[in-house]
Amino acid sequence: GENVEQHPSTLSVQEGDSAVIKCTYSDSASNYFPWYKQELGKRPQLIIDIRSNVGEKKDQRIAVTLNKTAKHFSLHITETQPEDSAVYFCAASTMEYGNKLVFGAGTILRVKS
Amino acid sequence: GAVVSQHPSRVICKSGTSVKIECRSLDFQATTMFWYRQFPKKSLMLMATSNEGSKATYEQGVEKDKFLINHASLTLSTLTVTSAHPEDSSFYICSARVHTGPQYFGPGTRLTVT
Repeated sequence: GENVEQHPSTLSVQEGDSAVIKCTYSDSASNYFPWYKQELGKRPQLIIDIRSNVGEKKDQRIAVTLNKTAKHFSLHITETQPEDSAVYFCAASTMEYGNKLVFGAGTILRVKS
Repeated sequence: GAVVSQHPSRVICKSGTSVKIECRSLDFQATTMFWYRQFPKKSLMLMATSNEGSKATYEQGVEKDKFLINHASLTLSTLTVTSAHPEDSSFYICSARVHTGPQYFGPGTRLTVT
């Protein structure tokens, strides 16, 4: 089955700097890769996702890149702000009906002001 | 749009009793709902996948007789933890999706078994 590895486990950046979180996946059939942000005690919230037919997607300060050949994808947050502090999870799935997401272990991002 | 609710948000029960958790999609019809368990500072562990009108598909190692899932309609799925024990204490989160759309998560239920 699919296995998703996520690095780093914790990341501290200064406000205004960029943050990059990387994930690798094992199943070449995976074709959908969402990123979720979870604040303490709250629900995971979808922040961006990408399908395997594109290599990059941007939404304001957030971008995701995908390298299908290497089977890795990354989350990029620019101009970080204290409110970006949270746990970020990557996930992978084959985007078929009812298919499940396999999550990475998560990255604790701390933005220091 | 894409709002998922869960009830209750917190529950404390005695060992040996059963607890039911509801997951509702408020503004869309969810063809599939998922139930996860999350331990402190850990990732989301999928317990089961639930399709409306059919039996849930449980992940390996999850006891289907202990964690009963019912997906009665396109907007409601329930998880019942039967004969709860302290080791069942955890954060339980559901998610819902429409066909090939993204999963949207509920706010979670904190279960404490005493």
